[in-house]
Amino acid sequence: GIQVEQSPPDLILQEGANSTLRCNFSDSVNNLQWFHQNPWGQLINLFYIPSGTKQNGRLSATTVATERYSLLYISSSQTTDSGVYFCAVDGYNTDKLIFGTGTRLQVFP
Amino acid sequence: DAGVIQSPRHEVTEMGQEVTLRCKPISGHDYLFWYRQTMMRGLELLIYFNNNVPIDDSGMPEDRFSAKMPNASFSTLKIQPSEPRDSAVYFCASSRGGTRYFGPGTRLTVT
Repeated sequence: GIQVEQSPPDLILQEGANSTLRCNFSDSVNNLQWFHQNPWGQLINLFYIPSGTKQNGRLSATTVATERYSLLYISSSQTTDSGVYFCAVDGYNTDKLIFGTGTRLQVFP
Repeated sequence: DAGVIQSPRHEVTEMGQEVTLRCKPISGHDYLFWYRQTMMRGLELLIYFNNNVPIDDSGMPEDRFSAKMPNASFSTLKIQPSEPRDSAVYFCASSRGGTRYFGPGTRLTVT
């Protein structure tokens, strides 16, 4: 099945810093989502982005489907950005959203 | 919309007991998914339904697990008998046209 790799596994930032999280996938996809799992365990949708670029406030994401990767940018990080960021993909002809292992982000004041 | 609703939010049970987890998807969504999250295995898909029909249950760990979706607004995941290794957070998600929306999860502890 399709493999999803995320990097880095852990990231520690001071408030105000910028960061880039990466997601590599092993095959063509027709769905890619970024999620934030907050410290209470809730999985929050950030982006549905099988291709192209989207922005939402301090967050933006870019997926280059032909090169099989996606990037999540966090600018001016805040302590509330802490948690685990997951990338998840559906391969073609499947609805089985497969999750990567996540990037754990800690933002300190 | 209230989002995906799961109950109970926490469940503690003894080994050998039957456990039933419940999910109400977002109204109008035609896909429903059950996931399990553990430290060792991360987030893994157990089973998913389309229009109330099970499509792929290849992620269900063993015969002790079963899932049903009797109508478009309700699904259950049952574990009988439960074992300590079933302890995990179980998420339900629904979608219509791609974006998955997750419920708050049920934290299951089997002692």
